[in-house]
Amino acid sequence: DIQMTQSPSSLSASLGDRVTITCRASQDIGNYLSWFQQKPGKSPRLMIYGATNLEDGVPSRFSGSRSGSDYSLTISSLESEDTAIYYCLQYDKYPPTFGGGTKLELK
Amino acid sequence: EVQLVESGGGLVQPGRSLKLSCLASGFTFSNYGMNWIRQAPGKGLEWVASISSSSSYIYYADTVKGRFTISRDNAKNTLYLQMTSLRSEDTALYYCARRAQWVSFDYWGQGVMVTVSS
Repeated sequence: DIQMTQSPSSLSASLGDRVTITCRASQDIGNYLSWFQQKPGKSPRLMIYGATNLEDGVPSRFSGSRSGSDYSLTISSLESEDTAIYYCLQYDKYPPTFGGGTKLELK
Repeated sequence: EVQLVESGGGLVQPGRSLKLSCLASGFTFSNYGMNWIRQAPGKGLEWVASISSSSSYIYYADTVKGRFTISRDNAKNTLYLQMTSLRSEDTALYYCARRAQWVSFDYWGQGVMVTVSS
């Protein structure tokens, strides 16, 4: 199975900060990488697909990028509503595998 | 509006069975692969099973293979998960999710809780 190593596991940042979360894939997954946001008591929400594509309705302060086997989710200017747990997902090969999650909180 | 509504969860004893359903609306159900994904209390997301649009391709996580069966009825716009030989470690919130080609899981239900305990 492909392992997705997500870091950091938790992150505290201030309003307006630039925030970056990273996932490293244990095998080549091309651009088959998504990012999800999950708020307490809610279902996960797709934010980014294909490593860099913004899902409809997602604010433009969110972006995705890839460097080799490292995939990043960046929030350019943190807003209070962005506090959540973020998960990456590789969907290139079965089984689809999620990263361990990053809990993003306000400082 | 795309909607996925799970049902069928509850408290069940170890070794018993339970069948989950997911009723889809707002899109052409028969055109999409569907998935079950679960989340144990306070834990991360774990993919459980996938079924293609015509049921030709089915995949399971190793943790449930041989115990869970995913199926669908395109005439009823409904996805199912038959769970047998349930274990305490199957306790989780179970989500159904639509898979769009190239996009991954673009719509999720609200989830249904399954608790396995004596």
